[in-house]
Amino acid sequence: EAQVTQNPRYLITVTGKKLTVTCSQNMNHEYMSWYRQDPGLGLRQIYYSMNVEVTDKGDVPEGYKVSRKEKRNFPLILESPSPNQTSLYFCASRRTGSSNQPQHFGDGTRLSIL
Amino acid sequence: DAKTTQPPSMDCAEGRAANLPCNHSTISGNEYVYWYRQIHSQGPQYIIHGLKNNETNEMASLIITEDRKSSTLILPHATLRDTAVYYCIVNDGTYKYIFGTGTRLKVLA
Repeated sequence: EAQVTQNPRYLITVTGKKLTVTCSQNMNHEYMSWYRQDPGLGLRQIYYSMNVEVTDKGDVPEGYKVSRKEKRNFPLILESPSPNQTSLYFCASRRTGSSNQPQHFGDGTRLSIL
Repeated sequence: DAKTTQPPSMDCAEGRAANLPCNHSTISGNEYVYWYRQIHSQGPQYIIHGLKNNETNEMASLIITEDRKSSTLILPHATLRDTAVYYCIVNDGTYKYIFGTGTRLKVLA
């Protein structure tokens, strides 16, 4: 089954403790992206990757890092999490060969930073 | 800033057609219109997209005005399971996406 898988689905942690949210897709998509969703603000793009070893900032990249060493994986790294990064996070992927391909989203990761 | 404008909420009676409008007055010639929906806090689900012609699939129809400055998503026979937040997005295939806050559709029994 074609899917985008995020782990963990839920995490409660403390300020300053490094964490990584993994994202994996099995559709051989070139493009992957991370979003955060906060009440009243909709989805905002954090980082995206056009292909392996190519990443760029979205609208809200502060406090986050990403890497794209393999095509299928796009982890989101919070080196020193803070309470304002408490949010619902989504990973997405899409094919880039044809520019009008839609994104496929994971089920989300709910992070609580205390 | 979102490149699209949608009403914050709408109600629709079960079994009736739900017509969700979207304004994208600054759309450029190579930008597609996409619609997604999000049920509760699940991942957004793709519904349909189009460039300038009307489109239909098993989920919905997309009507784009001739000047392309607005569009309407039509759910022909809304059910309770269609209650969700619906997002209209324009994108030209580049890699930045702006989702906005969408329309919260409530289907009433």
